[in-house]
Amino acid sequence: RKEVEQDPGPFNVPEGATVAFNCTYSNSASQSFFWYRQDCRKEPKLLMSVYSSGNEDGRFTAQLNRASQYISLLIRDSKLSDSATYLCVVKAGGYQKVTFGTGTKLQVIP
Amino acid sequence: DAGVTQSPTHLIKTRGQQVTLRCSPKSGHDTVSWYQQALGQGPQFIFQYYEEEERQRGNFPDRFSGHQFPNYSSELNVNALLLGDSALYLCASSWGGGGGTEAFFGQGTRLTVV
Repeated sequence: RKEVEQDPGPFNVPEGATVAFNCTYSNSASQSFFWYRQDCRKEPKLLMSVYSSGNEDGRFTAQLNRASQYISLLIRDSKLSDSATYLCVVKAGGYQKVTFGTGTKLQVIP
Repeated sequence: DAGVTQSPTHLIKTRGQQVTLRCSPKSGHDTVSWYQQALGQGPQFIFQYYEEEERQRGNFPDRFSGHQFPNYSSELNVNALLLGDSALYLCASSWGGGGGTEAFFGQGTRLTVV
């Protein structure tokens, strides 16, 4: 089993739709969680951290379920500019070993 | 405030050669991590440098080595290049050994081995 797993997609959704991605992780000692966004041939950029209580930033909501070992990202009212690959990142261990998922590709269609 | 800068942006090397990639962290950051991203894949962790020492290492062979300088900048060296080393190499900086803080990425160096 991979340390961090994501559905690679692509998720093709119309503008205005709500879309959700899940990411599962295998290391129960994982401590920090993030969602990054990566545009084609560009570097990943932090979208949001994921807190135990869940957190929201505008149209984006991230949640953590430690019992089931997954994090989720919900995007409401999708925009064309949301088209990108969304990477799940998990940190664990004393020096916070970082593991990326393979990413989920989102394509928002007009 | 300069972000993370990497050089060069693109590089073409021949199989068997050696390459050095460079990274300057974001101002105020002291930790540098290197990643390899093959096409269509997520970034794979190579190693992390903090206080001029390699603190963690991913599943990469000894052909991959690095260094961190007193000014926190870092180099990634790859010896005996293989065709499979062709990828985007990303440098990420953070503060205090990484911890729970988010990392900021440079634009990457795209390495092509022919």
